[in-house]
Amino acid sequence: DTGVSQDPRHKITKRGQNVTFRCDPISEHNRLYWYRQTLGQGPEFLTYFQNEAQLEKSRLLSDRFSAERPKGSFSTLEIQRTEQGDSAMYLCASSLQLGGWDTQYFGPGTRLTVL
Amino acid sequence: QKEVEQDPGPLSVPEGAIVSLNCTYSNSAFQYFMWYRQYSRKGPELLMYTYSSGNKEDGRFTAQVDKSSKYISLFIRDSQPSDSATYLCAMTGGGGNKLTFGTGTQLKVEL
Repeated sequence: DTGVSQDPRHKITKRGQNVTFRCDPISEHNRLYWYRQTLGQGPEFLTYFQNEAQLEKSRLLSDRFSAERPKGSFSTLEIQRTEQGDSAMYLCASSLQLGGWDTQYFGPGTRLTVL
Repeated sequence: QKEVEQDPGPLSVPEGAIVSLNCTYSNSAFQYFMWYRQYSRKGPELLMYTYSSGNKEDGRFTAQVDKSSKYISLFIRDSQPSDSATYLCAMTGGGGNKLTFGTGTQLKVEL
């Protein structure tokens, strides 16, 4: 399967701990997006990369959140000092942007529970 | 007020029914309109997209966009139990292509 993969699929942590999620996009996709989805809501944009450059960050991405895409391939999303309000599904999507609009393909998500 | 409004449902229909799902939006900059399907505890899967106003058909699915009314619809004909999922509308204005989603409508198609 050559779709978007995310690891881990589930993460349970205690408040105050740091967590890191990984996203592997579809091969040769140059754009990678992170979204957050809480129960009963649609996904909300967090940030996106064009190759290794982080081009936009949402106001939702507080100082405790950091994302990287060091070689323009996989990406990591780290949350420091987790809070119960961080409990959500974290979705990664990738696309091939050649100009104009690009189709975003989503991974299965990482479900985070902060106790 | 949210940029994209979508009735969360749940919507329950009998097998074979025609389903109508709708979203309204407030941002005139939105140019591309999408419908994603999301099964429980899975990532969203793109069903259809349209650019600007108009209709688009793909099998049992028809997407409509009316930019003058800021209203988009997805119609599902001959609905099947396998169509039971949450349907998310999404839109973007281009530039960056970050998607703005509705809350999703939960659909159940019953035998």
